[in-house]
Amino acid sequence: TQLLEQSPQFLSIQEGENLTVYCNSSSVFSSLQWYRQEPGEGPVLLVTVVTGGEVKKLKRLTFQFGDARKDSSLHITAAQPGDTGLYLCAGGGGGFKTIFGAGTRLFVKA
Amino acid sequence: KAGVTQTPRYLIKTRGQQVTLSCSPISGHRSVSWYQQTPGQGLQFLFEYFSETQRNKGNFPGRFSGRQFSNSRSEMNVSTLELGDSALYLCASSLGPQQGREQYFGPGTRLTVT
Repeated sequence: TQLLEQSPQFLSIQEGENLTVYCNSSSVFSSLQWYRQEPGEGPVLLVTVVTGGEVKKLKRLTFQFGDARKDSSLHITAAQPGDTGLYLCAGGGGGFKTIFGAGTRLFVKA
Repeated sequence: KAGVTQTPRYLIKTRGQQVTLSCSPISGHRSVSWYQQTPGQGLQFLFEYFSETQRNKGNFPGRFSGRQFSNSRSEMNVSTLELGDSALYLCASSLGPQQGREQYFGPGTRLTVT
């Protein structure tokens, strides 16, 4: 069974700090997606990484796909209160399903 | 393009009742997936429909069912509601079968069972 493990589960930081969130698996994924979900809303797609070693930037967010395509990371520079939310990673699982990690809940204090 | 829409947004039901939730995907998207999200279990996959056929099913009891119409709109039904069914039910659409594809989520339906 393919699993995606995210760490940390919870992160509370001050505005302006940097942080990294991890998404790890023992399985190879053809692609991974990152989503952000705010309370009471559905997840919003942030990025898809496809190639091993790929790095994508979205303003202050940097996403990296591991060389072996088993892990990914999300780095946020100079976090802002608007970055607060639940960050989910997801990848293609066995049986043609998408597997979601449990998420990292980020709280950025002003 | 309009996003994924779900109705209703909020619902309160009592144990034993049944409920039907509706999802309209993004225009041109033919795959609709349903998820249950709870604080304790996270995002759990219910089922996926593509071209009116159920392609995948998660590990949920038979009380949970769904269907997809020819215009790709989808409904899910939960019969004989239990307290543990209280959750945020999310619908997501994608161009084709999900299999790790990018999915676009609706705002969800918050179901409370009392």
